[in-house]
Amino acid sequence: DAGVIQSPRHEVTEMGQEVTLRCKPISGHDYLFWYRQTMMRGLELLIYFNNNVPIDDSGMPEDRFSAKMPNASFSTLKIQPSEPRDSAVYFCASSLTGQGEVGAFFGQGTRLTVV
Amino acid sequence: AQTVTQSQPEMSVQEAETVTLSCTYDTSESDYYLFWYKQPPSRQMILVIRQEAYKQQNATENRFSVNFQKAAKSFSLKISDSQLGDAAMYFCAYRVIQGAQKLVFGQGTRLTINP
Repeated sequence: DAGVIQSPRHEVTEMGQEVTLRCKPISGHDYLFWYRQTMMRGLELLIYFNNNVPIDDSGMPEDRFSAKMPNASFSTLKIQPSEPRDSAVYFCASSLTGQGEVGAFFGQGTRLTVV
Repeated sequence: AQTVTQSQPEMSVQEAETVTLSCTYDTSESDYYLFWYKQPPSRQMILVIRQEAYKQQNATENRFSVNFQKAAKSFSLKISDSQLGDAAMYFCAYRVIQGAQKLVFGQGTRLTINP
């Protein structure tokens, strides 16, 4: 398996623009997580899905953020409108029920810069 | 709510020496996993070592070992014979065995290896 695939690797956008980050989890995994990494706050869980259903979105910072998982092999995280404080690295990760001991498998992350 | 705290934002060690990274956590659960992840400059999240809370024996993986103190809710990582390739961000993480499968991370510790 190719692992968790995120796109794009880097994104630079202007304040006010819409940004969409994409993730393809490992085939067969039933959990998908979106994390945000900043120097100040470390790795924060934004939202996670189980079997394509959002389970906990309490980490989503505000209404400008939304996430979807239309099927088992694809998820998006959208920011609209984007702001400079959204600049961070966004990670997608996936895992499988019953294999909690291996943690989660992470993508390479998307570095977002909002200018 | 579960929380994970890494009180050392930065650490440095001489090559070939031993270094210990600290982690404490807070939980009311009795069964859980603890992990240490390594994040090199490539941004990839790499699982270094894990510990099941029900196991009294400390986990070991080659030069990496943990000191797990369940009563104190402490989970430190010891790196022996430090190598230049060990330079990275290290994250401590927690996950319950039953229930929500999310990984909760600490703030991270940046480890520098001095040649």
